[in-house]
Amino acid sequence: DQQVKQNSPSLSVQEGRISILNCDYTNSMFDYFLWYKKYPAEGPTFLISISSIKDKNEDGRFTVFLNKSAKHLSLHIVPSQPGDSAVYFCAAEDSGGSNYKLTFGKGTLLTVNP
Amino acid sequence: DTAVSQTPKYLVTQMGNDKSIKCEQNLGHDTMYWYKQDSKKFLKIMFSYNNKELIINETVPNRFSPKSPDKAHLNLHINSLELGDSAVYFCASSQSGGGSYEQYFGPGTRLTVT
Repeated sequence: DQQVKQNSPSLSVQEGRISILNCDYTNSMFDYFLWYKKYPAEGPTFLISISSIKDKNEDGRFTVFLNKSAKHLSLHIVPSQPGDSAVYFCAAEDSGGSNYKLTFGKGTLLTVNP
Repeated sequence: DTAVSQTPKYLVTQMGNDKSIKCEQNLGHDTMYWYKQDSKKFLKIMFSYNNKELIINETVPNRFSPKSPDKAHLNLHINSLELGDSAVYFCASSQSGGGSYEQYFGPGTRLTVT
């Protein structure tokens, strides 16, 4: 049972345009959400996070939006750059639990074309 | 200066063998994790240790045994390897448990069982 879903396996955008990556979750106990970026043959690297008490968090070109009622979050990258081409994983946590467990989505491959 | 390192990076072995993957972090973190990324690309938590104490033990076969000799190391030993164990295994660490402290991942170990 996938508790974190990234329904788009891939996304292709032009350099300079906006990239929007989507993530849905089913577990209402999740209250902390993270985005990780992964290049081939490397481990995932943390990108940005958001707590459920917020609906938006911004860091430079990256903004994460959270819609709790819809159990949906999205990552916006503006403007997109070729170096952003990677797999993006959405992850979620029930921080009230004591087991420090992150649940990951399957990832979305973003390709930014020059 | 590598934050989370894993050895080996690639491991090819035959069914029935026993193998170990080593992980070390130099970040001073309290919590370490092992994840498995299978052919379907899902990144799933296997184990988590906090200050050398087992915190998470997902439904992983008993053939998998983590060992944490100290806070900076979390090794993964696999007995009687099976074809289905072929995957990429990622080690990670965080300052404390939970996603509210971002997890730093190693580069991964690609295990191929023939």
